[in-house]
Amino acid sequence: DAGVIQSPRHEVTEMGQEVTLRCKPISGHNSLFWYRQTMMRGLELLIYFNNNVPIDDSGMPEDRFSAKMPNASFSTLKIQPSEPRDSAVYFCASRPDNANEKLFFGSGTQLSVL
Amino acid sequence: GEDVEQSLFLSVREGDSSVINCTYTDSSSTYLYWYKQEPGAGLQLLTYIFSNMDMKQDQRLTVLLNKKDKHLSLRIADTQTGDSAIYFCAESRGGGADGLTFGKGTHLIIQP
Repeated sequence: DAGVIQSPRHEVTEMGQEVTLRCKPISGHNSLFWYRQTMMRGLELLIYFNNNVPIDDSGMPEDRFSAKMPNASFSTLKIQPSEPRDSAVYFCASRPDNANEKLFFGSGTQLSVL
Repeated sequence: GEDVEQSLFLSVREGDSSVINCTYTDSSSTYLYWYKQEPGAGLQLLTYIFSNMDMKQDQRLTVLLNKKDKHLSLRIADTQTGDSAIYFCAESRGGGADGLTFGKGTHLIIQP
């Protein structure tokens, strides 16, 4: 298995632009998580899905952020409009239901908003 | 206070043992984890311990859990340059359905 696949690896955009981050979880994994990593706040859970349904989005910073999981093999995290303070590394992670919480992470998307 | 706390940096000499410490707050955590993050990469599960265990050993890694004090440690024996990374402690909440809560990570720096 190729593991959790995220794209793009790097994204540089200007303030006000829409940004879409993509994630393909490991096949057969029922839960998918979006995390954001910054030096100041460390790793923050933004949202997670179980069987394609959003379970908890309380970590989503504000209405500019939205996430979807239209099917079991694909999820997006969208920021519109983007702001410089959104600059961070965004990680997607997945796990099967019986994995005792072991999360498998993608390589992340490094987002820079200028 | 923070849910999971770790020191930000640890510097050790190559060949020595590294001990990375972590404190957590949720006594209902079922599992506790150590993840490793190398530069430019995602987090990789290193090891984990079930909450009813005191110790777990896996080759050069030893995990110690003091549930009374809510203290977790990771010992890396014979530290090598390849061990240089950020190490994250994480706890699962009761039932674990809501993912993991991570500490801010400890940067392990290896001196030659």
